[in-house]
Amino acid sequence: AQRVTQPEKLLSVFKGAPVELKCNYSYSGSPELFWYVQYSRQRLQLLLRHISRESIKGFTADLNKGETSFHLKKPFAQEEDSAMYYCALRGYNFNKFYFGSGTKLNVKP
Amino acid sequence: DTEVTQTPKHLVMGMTNKKSLKCEQHMGHRAMYWYKQKAKKPPELMFVYSYEKLSINESVPSRFSPECPNSSLLNLHLHALQPEDSALYLCASSQVMGQSPDTQYFGPGTRLTVL
Repeated sequence: AQRVTQPEKLLSVFKGAPVELKCNYSYSGSPELFWYVQYSRQRLQLLLRHISRESIKGFTADLNKGETSFHLKKPFAQEEDSAMYYCALRGYNFNKFYFGSGTKLNVKP
Repeated sequence: DTEVTQTPKHLVMGMTNKKSLKCEQHMGHRAMYWYKQKAKKPPELMFVYSYEKLSINESVPSRFSPECPNSSLLNLHLHALQPEDSALYLCASSQVMGQSPDTQYFGPGTRLTVL
């Protein structure tokens, strides 16, 4: 069963424009949600997690349980934000992470 | 040390070869993972070790054989692979469930090519 859905394969925005990368999930119970980022030729790394409720590199994400969404947002995109972004879910009670198919963000100058 | 290391970086092997991928972390994490990532695809979970015991096997073919000799090391033994097994193999580690922080840390991966 598809647990994490990222509907956009590619998202192109201009520098300074707002950006929103969508993530929807399906899971009964209380999952943990994460956003991972993979810059060109770099390792996959954690960007943020819903439990921390923090802002990293200007990005924020709010868990909306009613809409089962965890969209990633940034008010003003920068060229260095260009990367592959993966939404991930970890189910309660086991060490299993499910990754979405990823969204490639391209920030144009 | 907050890094997961993987060796080798690149590996080319024939279908009859036997090789091993290695992963190491010194963050005291007791959960370790193997993922397979094809080009432009998300990581796919293969195996999870928790406290050095295999806890999850995602129906991976037996030509892939994981091993966790101690809490810092994770190996993936490869034998009689197929060309379609060519991919980036990622190792990750985290605290086990219920222990904070339980974020996964990823290694840089081993780029495997099967001829």
